[in-house]
Amino acid sequence: SQQGEEDPQALSIQEGENATMNCSYKTSINNLQWYRQNSGRGLVHLILIRSNEREKHSGRLRVTLDTSKKSSSLLITASRAADTASYFCATSGTYKYIFGTGTRLKVLA
Amino acid sequence: GAVVSQHPSRVICKSGTSVKIECRSLDFQATTMFWYRQFPKQSLMLMATSNEGSKATYEQGVEKDKFLINHASLTLSTLTVTSAHPEDSSFYICSARDSFLVWESGDEQFFGPGTRLTVL
Repeated sequence: SQQGEEDPQALSIQEGENATMNCSYKTSINNLQWYRQNSGRGLVHLILIRSNEREKHSGRLRVTLDTSKKSSSLLITASRAADTASYFCATSGTYKYIFGTGTRLKVLA
Repeated sequence: GAVVSQHPSRVICKSGTSVKIECRSLDFQATTMFWYRQFPKQSLMLMATSNEGSKATYEQGVEKDKFLINHASLTLSTLTVTSAHPEDSSFYICSARDSFLVWESGDEQFFGPGTRLTVL
């Protein structure tokens, strides 16, 4: 399967703590994106990082990309209960995206 | 921002019937749209790539005769689940790619809100 893998599969933290999710993929990519999905809902685009970038920030989000290791990480700082959701990475090598297995994050108030 | 809609948002049907799901790009033209399927607590699996004016490209293991895709215009793609069975119950999500604009953010896909199909 071409699907990427994410770890951990599930993560439970206290509000205010940081949450780190990792994504590993198998093929060369042009870019990698992170998405959030609330239960039973559609996808929300969070951030895109290109293959020639190593780190990117957006608000409380920090994404890193290591193409030599074919891996990326998403850090959410000062988490809030509203951050509770599933988070997916998606890699693009050509024109289509391959999604990772996802991390289910639960932030406890 | 780019908006993609799906209709219906939720559908319940009897086993053996066919169901059509629409995916529309509302404020841009999409030569390419993608259809994904997501089972509960699982990731999105790409089913097929829909190209305006030509046949869809299906991923390995996806039955093209069961999941009919039509992309007749630059703003509309439809997925028809033919002779649906309970195992086809899933969350179907489409996305669209605007090929005519150079987005500063890159090659981003815009996702619809999804359609939940339940086959009884």
